[in-house]
Amino acid sequence: GNSVTQMEGPVTLSEEAFLTINCTYTATGYPSLFWYVQYPGEGLQLLLKATKADDKGSNKGFEATYRKETTSFHLEKGSVQVSDSAVYFCALTSAYSGGGADGLTFGKGTHLIIQP
Amino acid sequence: DGGITQSPKYLFRKEGQNVTLSCEQNLNHDAMYWYRQDPGQGLRLIYYSQIVNDFQKGDIAEGYSVSREKKESFPLTVTSAQKNPTAFYLCASSQKRGDYGYTFGSGTRLTVV
Repeated sequence: GNSVTQMEGPVTLSEEAFLTINCTYTATGYPSLFWYVQYPGEGLQLLLKATKADDKGSNKGFEATYRKETTSFHLEKGSVQVSDSAVYFCALTSAYSGGGADGLTFGKGTHLIIQP
Repeated sequence: DGGITQSPKYLFRKEGQNVTLSCEQNLNHDAMYWYRQDPGQGLRLIYYSQIVNDFQKGDIAEGYSVSREKKESFPLTVTSAQKNPTAFYLCASSQKRGDYGYTFGSGTRLTVV
């Protein structure tokens, strides 16, 4: 079955540091890949996505590249801010299931803490 | 503005009671989902529905029930059979093809007292 593995947190960085949150996956077929962000007490918001190999998703200074050869989708940002403190989830959905048929498969989430 | 509305935001349940969590969307999405979130365990799929009057069990359906009588509504009932219901519950919706991503509600925090 499908699975997503993220680096364990919490990850604590200083403001303006470089961020990498690792994500690797196991899936049948050709999944679509997503990063979601969750601020305290709120639901998840889609941060970025990529639907095929070598696609790069980007939003708000965050980037992630769909690497089929390494089955990875690592999240990066060049200079983090205190407002980036949140929980980040990597997720996938299998294209073979028509995308929405069986829901997203999530990683366990990485809690990011940015200190001023 | 289009979106998903979950209510209530906080809910308290006594032992042995059933409670129903509301989820309404005005995005005209075909598919809707319920997830449970526990600290350190990420999100786990409870039920999903791709079309009105049809729904499927997810990974942790025991102790829960759903209905999908209208496209825009997907309520979740937490029954007394659910032994550990205290959690954060998230509702989501999507187009039938998932490449567009999912839209999530703001969640309901259920606590057993």
